[in-house]
Amino acid sequence: SAVISQKPSRDICQRGTSLTIQCQVDSQVTMMFWYRQQPGQSLTLIATANQGSEATYESGFVIDKFPISRPNLTFSTLTVSNMSPEDSSIYLCSVEDPWSGELFFGEGSRLTVL
Amino acid sequence: DAKTTQPPSMDCAEGRAANLPCNHSTISGNEYVYWYRQIHSQGPQYIIHGLKNNETNEMASLIITEDRKSSTLILPHATLRDTAVYYCIVRVYTGNQFYFGTGTSLTVIP
Repeated sequence: SAVISQKPSRDICQRGTSLTIQCQVDSQVTMMFWYRQQPGQSLTLIATANQGSEATYESGFVIDKFPISRPNLTFSTLTVSNMSPEDSSIYLCSVEDPWSGELFFGEGSRLTVL
Repeated sequence: DAKTTQPPSMDCAEGRAANLPCNHSTISGNEYVYWYRQIHSQGPQYIIHGLKNNETNEMASLIITEDRKSSTLILPHATLRDTAVYYCIVRVYTGNQFYFGTGTSLTVIP
């Protein structure tokens, strides 16, 4: 199994600022995913981040708002840009075990935008 | 990936079996059924997955109908700690995205 660490675990930010969330995995993985979970809602996939290529964004999410970096096989960042109160959510990083197909999640980063 | 349909909520008495249904009538032949759960404020946790045979592990059993259009997750002896949102997902085995539906909120009652 993979162990995923996310930073920060929570933050309170001002409108109009940007926040970068870091995701560190204890093993090399090909596919990393970023999800958003708004209060009381299910998880929504933001993008898929593969090392060495541009992230692939889901409908409704754009690179200018959620730029993603994937510099190596164990690390990724998601930036939430020009934040508004509507961006208040839990942001989760996840990785796939290529052998079992199982998806592992970090504990999430709880973002509150004032 | 195929879409899934789950009841929004269910209750179960502590110590009894919890049976959580999932409909996936448009599932393709190469798509697996995965179950995850999310306990409040935590990241989702893998429970079990299967293709067409019934599966059992230390956490649960997965029963998939012969036509594969529906499945049931069984928690044999529900405890209060099993109170969570349970998600049924279908996807090709590896290399593709996981799309979460709305899930079933299971409440285990003392």
